[in-house]
This record gives sequence, structure tokens and C-alpha cells, in this order.
Amino acid sequence: GQQLNQSPQSMFIQEGEDVSMNCTSSSIFNTWLWYKQDPGEGPVLLIALYKAGELTSNGRLTAQFGITRKDSFLNISASIPSDVGIYFCAGPFINYGGSQGNLIFGKGTKLSVKP
Amino acid sequence: SQTIHQWPATLVQPVGSPLSLECTVEGTSNPNLYWYRQAAGRGLQLLFYSVGIGQISSEVPQNLSASRPQDRQFILSSKKLLLSDSGFYLCAWSVYHSISPLHFGNGTRLTVT
Repeated sequence: GQQLNQSPQSMFIQEGEDVSMNCTSSSIFNTWLWYKQDPGEGPVLLIALYKAGELTSNGRLTAQFGITRKDSFLNISASIPSDVGIYFCAGPFINYGGSQGNLIFGKGTKLSVKP
Repeated sequence: SQTIHQWPATLVQPVGSPLSLECTVEGTSNPNLYWYRQAAGRGLQLLFYSVGIGQISSEVPQNLSASRPQDRQFILSSKKLLLSDSGFYLCAWSVYHSISPLHFGNGTRLTVT
């Protein structure tokens, strides 16, 4: 079945550094979503991408929908301590008939920021 | 604006006891509703989803059940909890099933002892 592979699994960076993480799949996706989860809370939607090649920003965050439709990237510029958390990519499963099903999630990238 | 409420925030229950977690959504009609479980701070596993009142789809066989007695209410239940039911349970809603993004509640941390 379809899976989303996120890398890296974890990152330890210094405050002020830029961060880059990605999500790949062996199958194509029509939508890519990026979520952030703070400790003990539910994931919050950061960016939604609906078109191959699309590049979207949300403050210091920028995400891109890969042109092959099999990957997506999330970049965070000039990280700050409140960027700490787990970042998930997600996309709707595409069944054999071509229709979209439920969202599947990557296993997450855990970001730690040293002040 | 739409809001989602989940309670309780934390729960400690003995093995064999029943469970009832509740989730309600405000500010929208006929939402699609979802229950996820997250183990060890990673990996969101879809347990149930509902596209309408009384309509429940189960994704994985398990010791839990779900019900949707009202349009904006989604309940996760168990008759007898197992140790393996411990985890972080998240409720979510979306406008259109499988097309629009999910919006999550703040979760319930369940510890079965």
C-alpha cells in the first residue's frame, strides 16, 4: 500500500539555523499536507499543497509539492525555540480505482532547537 | 469559526474497565469525523471515520468502537480496556472526506494500568 517516508527522523539544530525536511512516496499524491505537533497537543495544519510544482509560504515556513507528485519538502528559515515539535507530512491515499481515500501520515520529523 | 473539543485531556483507567471519550465540533454542519491513535509520540493510526450520523467505518480490527449519535458528536468506546489500548487519542474533522485537510482536537492521553 501507499506509504509516506519522512526524513530525517530527528534533527538537533541551533537557534537561527535553517531547517529542511522532506517526504517521499513510491506512489503519486494529489495533495500534500504539512502538520506540526507540539508536545501533548494535536497536530496543527501548517501548509496545504494541491498542485504539482506549487510553492507555498506561511511566515518562515515554505513547502513545495514535488513536480513528480511523489515528494514534498518543508523548509523553516531562521529557526526559533518555539519551532520545536514533530512535523508530519500527510496525503490522501489513492486507491486502485483512482479515487482518494483517507489521509495517510508520515512517521514525523522531530525537531529540537538549542537556544 | 469552527472549533473541536475533546475530553477528557488525560485519563487513567484499570484493565477491564469501560471507556468513553467524547469529541464535539462547533461552527460547521455535517463534518466528517475521525478518531486516530498515536503511540509513543509518533505515527498517527486511523481508527474510525464517519461521514454522517450513524455511519461508522472501521480501519483496523481492535478492542474499540465508535458511535456518532449526533451530527457533530463522535464517541470512542470500549467495554473492557486492555493494556495495549494506552496511547494518545486524537479526534479530527474535515469538510470533505479525503479531499480537505483534517483539523485535530487536543487529544486525550489514556493510560491503562
